Amino acid sequence: DTAVSQTPKYLVTQMGNDKSIKCEQNLGHDTMYWYKQDSKKFLKIMFSYNNKELIINETVPNRFSPKSPDKAHLNLHINSLELGDSAVYFCASTLAGVRNEQFFGPGTRLTVL
Amino acid sequence: AQTVTQSQPEMSVQEAETVTLSCTYDTSESDYYLFWYKQPPSRQMILVIRQEAYKQQNATENRFSVNFQKAAKSFSLKISDSQLGDAAMYFCAYRRLGNQFYFGTGTSLTVIP
Repeated sequence: DTAVSQTPKYLVTQMGNDKSIKCEQNLGHDTMYWYKQDSKKFLKIMFSYNNKELIINETVPNRFSPKSPDKAHLNLHINSLELGDSAVYFCASTLAGVRNEQFFGPGTRLTVL
Repeated sequence: AQTVTQSQPEMSVQEAETVTLSCTYDTSESDYYLFWYKQPPSRQMILVIRQEAYKQQNATENRFSVNFQKAAKSFSLKISDSQLGDAAMYFCAYRRLGNQFYFGTGTSLTVIP
């Protein structure tokens, strides 16, 4: 059983399009995250939700909008895609409590042409 | 602000030898956890090992162990008897009370046959 799943795993699209990436976790976690990993492999936090409430909102263009319909899902919608949005996007989840690690999804490689 | 520094962008090790990856962090907190994640070419993020700040004993998981120096704010990862499958990006991460994780910039490990 997949703990944190993301769809799609690969996404190739044209500049200017709107796209969504979906994330689901079946671990019963209460906190979910979106990270962007660029070509240099830096992991940058974008958003975090705790019990469907936005708790971390880093400096990210407002073309990026997260949505958490319930505790098990955190989706990422991107409007007006730009070349610089090309990256791997990771969803992750965890439980409250400092000893708990993050569990990561397999990543979505987004390529904007 | 919490920061995590990995000063070695790239490291290499001969198969069966031992290698140590460095990580330092900056914090004024007393209660926190530290983690090492591995990201192989498959890009899946995998937890390797974790260390509680209150424990003086260094964590060990099979061939992986840490050298945790709390006063120096240092948390290095030692890989013994390196195997080809250890080749990956390794990320050091810090978590304090709350939901945010802080990641280092990663160290790319090459294992030479």
